[in-house]
Amino acid sequence: NAGVTQTPKFQVLKTGQSMTLQCAQDMNHEYMSWYRQDPGMGLRLIHYSVGAGITDQGEVPNGYNVSRSTTEDFPLRLLSAAPSQTSVYFCAARGGTNYGYTFGSGTRLTVV
Amino acid sequence: KNQVEQSPQSLIILEGKNCTLQCNYTVSPFSNLRWYKQDTGRGPVSLTIMTFSENTKSNGRYTATLDADTKQSSLHITASQLSDSASYICVVSAWNTDKLIFGTGTRLQVFP
Repeated sequence: NAGVTQTPKFQVLKTGQSMTLQCAQDMNHEYMSWYRQDPGMGLRLIHYSVGAGITDQGEVPNGYNVSRSTTEDFPLRLLSAAPSQTSVYFCAARGGTNYGYTFGSGTRLTVV
Repeated sequence: KNQVEQSPQSLIILEGKNCTLQCNYTVSPFSNLRWYKQDTGRGPVSLTIMTFSENTKSNGRYTATLDADTKQSSLHITASQLSDSASYICVVSAWNTDKLIFGTGTRLQVFP
């Protein structure tokens, strides 16, 4: 039982490149979300999904796309990377409303 | 505006000592408050979850308290260990929403 698995762990991109951050969970949780963590700031919600086929924007969605074709997978796509997207990205999954979130181990992205 | 503020920003203690971390929030209407531990380079891990009606909850050497009237919470760590060195993040959610409001965390360092 792996929980939430994120790949890759580290990535360096050039400005303008695109890439997909992968997130997979094996807990059969309906709710999944993507956050970014920047120094001196709390985690900020990028996009979230309450179930397969349903996604919505969070606090900082610009420059990112998501899709949820299955319960297990919730990939995050960077369309055209910018230095402002240098950050650590976390994927999380949750059961019911008052249950804890299970976070992945993060992807450290650097855009040069 | 929904906000979560934590203090102190950083804390250094000696192994075996106790410490208390503070969290003040302005989230309304309040649903639940969570404390997470985040080791360097890892994703946050849930310590406790408290709803409106809960005043205290323990998880081993970690004890969280909640005063919903004053909108304050504390995390008390007893008999600290070197492995307690981490960031501790307070997270609050509003009722009837799936979105979390994260504090910026308290960085705790435990020295031998």
